[in-house]
Amino acid sequence: AQSVTQPDIHITVSEGASLELRCNYSYGATPYLFWYVQSPGQGLQLLLKYFSGDTLVQGIKGFEAEFKRSQSSFNLRKPSVHWSDAAEYFCAVAHSGNTPLVFGKGTRLSVIA
Amino acid sequence: NAGVTQTPKFQVLKTGQSMTLQCAQDMNHNSMYWYRQDPGMGLRLIYYSASEGTTDKGEVPNGYNVSRLNKREFSLRLESAAPSQTSVYFCASRIGDTHSSPLHFGNGTRLTVT
Repeated sequence: AQSVTQPDIHITVSEGASLELRCNYSYGATPYLFWYVQSPGQGLQLLLKYFSGDTLVQGIKGFEAEFKRSQSSFNLRKPSVHWSDAAEYFCAVAHSGNTPLVFGKGTRLSVIA
Repeated sequence: NAGVTQTPKFQVLKTGQSMTLQCAQDMNHNSMYWYRQDPGMGLRLIYYSASEGTTDKGEVPNGYNVSRLNKREFSLRLESAAPSQTSVYFCASRIGDTHSSPLHFGNGTRLTVT
């Protein structure tokens, strides 16, 4: 079965600094990959997804992610973090188009002035 | 647009009590899902319904039952609540049953079982 690892439980960055959140998956073939964001007291919102094609995908709110097959990774990046980006971020994977998503345990992002 | 609506927002139960968590979507989506979220565990799928009239078990179905009442509504029932079911429950839906369409989440139901 596929699994998703987010190695960082909590990350703190300064406003305006760059951000990279790590995600590794275990699955033989290329899975469907997703990043979701959860603000406090809210449900999850899709930031971006990768199915195939260009390995650098752009999402909402200025986020991007890069699929690296050799590293089984799908890291999320943002060049300049805003205070409103403070939230919990979840990486998720599915091994085919109609199988349920498997979520990582999440990375909580704090932003300091 | 209301999107995905979950009721109640908060609930406290005693061990052994039963309750039903309600979920309704107004987006004409075919697929609906129930997840639970626990600290340090991420989201885990309890049950899902790929289309009206079908339901399937997810990763953690024990202790739960579901009903896809109609296309709009997908309820989650706890017949005999246990402290291990203390969690935040999220309902989600999407138009198809494949990942080409994004999941839309409700705002969650926070359940405490004492």
